Amino acid sequence: GEDVEQSLFLSVREGDSSVINCTYTDSSSTYLYWYKQEPGAGLQLLTYIFSNMDMKQDQRLTVLLNKKDKHLSLRIADTQTGDSAIYFCAESMGTDKLIFGTGTRLQVFP
Amino acid sequence: GAGVSQSPSNKVTEKGKDVELRCDPISGHTALYWYRQSLGQGLEFLIYFQGNSAPDKSGLPSDRFSAERTGGSVSTLTIQRTQQEDSAVYLCASSPGKSREKLFFGSGTQLSVL
Repeated sequence: GEDVEQSLFLSVREGDSSVINCTYTDSSSTYLYWYKQEPGAGLQLLTYIFSNMDMKQDQRLTVLLNKKDKHLSLRIADTQTGDSAIYFCAESMGTDKLIFGTGTRLQVFP
Repeated sequence: GAGVSQSPSNKVTEKGKDVELRCDPISGHTALYWYRQSLGQGLEFLIYFQGNSAPDKSGLPSDRFSAERTGGSVSTLTIQRTQQEDSAVYLCASSPGKSREKLFFGSGTQLSVL
């Protein structure tokens, strides 16, 4: 089936690191994505990783991919209150269709 | 325009009525997607248009849902005989060609069926 699973909530203290996890099902996915949704807004692409990569770093963001376990994670270093949002992982299926996870609501407290 | 535009931003309707939701993609983007976001749930894929190819309708939940894309640009999502469970945010996204690296999302239409 086409299931992309994420935990629903994560709460972290400002300045700490956040790790958001995702498991996907399609081993043929060529791209895996992280999107961010702020309140009342659409989704914005944060970063993506090719399936032949293990890790990608972009400033405070680090994406780790474990293809064997079909596990994707997003680490946000030095989390700020402005990082509070819903984070979605997504996989591209054999076609161009993107399947999104349920989203993880990140809450950052002072 | 500069981004994906959706209208209306909010729609309240009575159960049993038909509604039309509009999406203006970014100029030149050949791919267009409709997703539905229900409260507490993730994004549910509805339909995907790519250029002149036949659309991928595999996500439409029932035959009350339909979508068209005229002239390869503007898209309309139509829900007939709306039900309360249709209440959700309907998001449209577009991307250039077959580039899956980045989808540009609109702000969505909040549909409330009373």
